[in-house]
Amino acid sequence: GQQLNQSPQSMFIQEGEDVSMNCTSSSIFNTWLWYKQDPGEGPVLLIALYKAGELTSNGRLTAQFGITRKDSFLNISASIPSDVGIYFCAGPPGSGNTGKLIFGQGTTLQVKP
Amino acid sequence: NAGVTQTPKFRILKIGQSMTLQCAQDMNHNYMYWYRQDPGMGLKLIYYSVGAGITDKGEVPNGYNVSRSTTEDFPLRLELAAPSQTSVYFCASSNTGAGSPLHFGNGTRLTVT
Repeated sequence: GQQLNQSPQSMFIQEGEDVSMNCTSSSIFNTWLWYKQDPGEGPVLLIALYKAGELTSNGRLTAQFGITRKDSFLNISASIPSDVGIYFCAGPPGSGNTGKLIFGQGTTLQVKP
Repeated sequence: NAGVTQTPKFRILKIGQSMTLQCAQDMNHNYMYWYRQDPGMGLKLIYYSVGAGITDKGEVPNGYNVSRSTTEDFPLRLELAAPSQTSVYFCASSNTGAGSPLHFGNGTRLTVT
């Protein structure tokens, strides 16, 4: 079945550094979503992307919908300690809105003050 | 509004026992989802529903059953618990399916011994 592969699996960075992570698939996705999960809680939506090539920002976060529609990227600028958590990409496999939504395995981010 | 409410928060089961994880949402969302989260594996979709009376299998449905008799409730049933079902289970709902934000519950941590 369709899978979303995220890299890197984990990152340990210094406060103030920029962060880049990506998500790839062997098949085309028409929507890319980025979620963040804080410890002990459910994931929360950060950014949604609906069109190939789209670049969207949410504060210090910027995400891009790859032009091949098989990948997406998330960047965090000037990281701060509260950026710690697990970042997931997600998307609906196949065409149309069947309601099905799958997630990648996540990128765990640790920020050293 | 309570959002998405999951009960119980924690549960320990013996192998072969059965239980139902409860999930209720008060946002009148049509779409509801059950995911399980294992360390380093991300969120795997177990079952989902696009409306009352309609359910469909996700990525890892074996060993689970669901029902959706009302818009508000989406219980997940484990009939014969196995150690492989030890996990954190998240219920989520959304307004229009993939592409609209998922609202997650706080999770149920299940241990099968």
